[in-house]
Amino acid sequence: RKEVEQDPGPFNVPEGATVAFNCTYSNSASQSFFWYRQDCRKEPKLLMSVYSSGNEDGRFTAQLNRASQYISLLIRDSKLSDSATYLCVVNVLGTSYGKLTFGQGTILTVHP
Amino acid sequence: EAQVTQNPRYLITVTGKKLTVTCSQNMNHEYMSWYRQDPGLGLRQIYYSMNVEVTDKGDVPEGYKVSRKEKRNFPLILESPSPNQTSLYFCASSLNRVEETQYFGPGTRLLVL
Repeated sequence: RKEVEQDPGPFNVPEGATVAFNCTYSNSASQSFFWYRQDCRKEPKLLMSVYSSGNEDGRFTAQLNRASQYISLLIRDSKLSDSATYLCVVNVLGTSYGKLTFGQGTILTVHP
Repeated sequence: EAQVTQNPRYLITVTGKKLTVTCSQNMNHEYMSWYRQDPGLGLRQIYYSMNVEVTDKGDVPEGYKVSRKEKRNFPLILESPSPNQTSLYFCASSLNRVEETQYFGPGTRLLVL
């Protein structure tokens, strides 16, 4: 089983739609969780961290479910500019000097 | 401007010819790392460094070397490149720890013939 797994998609949605991505992780000791965004094979950029209580940033909401070992990203009112690959990232070892493990990424295409 | 730079951005080479990809950050970050990105496999960590002279293996270190002699630089060395090292490489840095925001360089596309 992969340490971090995402549905690769692609997700094709119209503008204004709500779309949700899930990501599962295998190591229950994982402590830090993130969503990164990557445009067209450019460098990844942090979209948001994921906190235990869940967090929201504008149209984006991230949730963490430790019991089921998954995190989610919800995008409301999708814009054309949201088209990108969304990467689930986990600090699998749960240590400050550990490493980050990236999921394969979920491709989102928002069309007019 | 705060940034991570990589050079070269594109490189075509032949099997066995040693090469170095440079990475430099101007943010005084302690943590730096190298990733490779391949279709279907996502980003995989090659090496990371917690600070000067402190480096450790990531998930796919075979065939690569790194050094961290200065805080700002973290070069990736391929002593004898092979075609299976053809990939897109990213350098990243963060202030202190792996849980902090990672700032990525623009990437280096490497083709080994």
